[in-house]
Amino acid sequence: AQSVTQLDSQVPVFEEAPVELRCNYSSSVSVYLFWYVQYPNQGLQLLLKYLSGSTLVKGINGFEAEFNKSQTSFHLRKPSVHISDTAEYFCAVSEGNKLIFGTGTLLAVQP
Amino acid sequence: DAGITQSPRYKITETGRQVTLMCHQTWSHSYMFWYRQDLGHGLRLIYYSAAADITDKGEVPDGYVVSRSKTENFPLTLESATRSQTSVYFCASIHAPGQGAEQYFGPGTRLTVT
Repeated sequence: AQSVTQLDSQVPVFEEAPVELRCNYSSSVSVYLFWYVQYPNQGLQLLLKYLSGSTLVKGINGFEAEFNKSQTSFHLRKPSVHISDTAEYFCAVSEGNKLIFGTGTLLAVQP
Repeated sequence: DAGITQSPRYKITETGRQVTLMCHQTWSHSYMFWYRQDLGHGLRLIYYSAAADITDKGEVPDGYVVSRSKTENFPLTLESATRSQTSVYFCASIHAPGQGAEQYFGPGTRLTVT
């Protein structure tokens, strides 16, 4: 079975600083990877996804992620964060029509 | 275009009571899912459904029952609620089934079992 590891439960960062949220997956076969964002008291919405092709994937709100097969990683990055980016971020891997989620990383942007 | 709605948004119930969480989608998506979200566990799949009258267990199905008589509705029932079922519950659906399909999420139901 697939699994996803998000080692950082919380990442504090100052506004306008760069940020990287780490995600590692377990599968050695073809994978489809996702990043979802959850703002306070809301459901999850898709930030970006990797299906195939270019290993650098661009998403909404200035986020991007890089698929690294050799390191089985799919880290999320943003060059300059805003207060409004404060949210919980979930990495997920596709298993058939199901998604396997990581435990989430709380991005706390401070002024 | 309402998308996915969940009701109620907040619910407090007592141990041993039966409670049903409702999920309704307006897109006619075939696949629907129920997750629970708990601190330190992320989202865990409870049940999913590929179509009306087709349901299957996820990672944490014990204590829950689902049905899907109509494509647009996917209710989740806790037959005898326990404190360990205090959680935030999310419903989701898939537009086009297949590897890499995006799931669309409802706003969630926060359930407290006292």
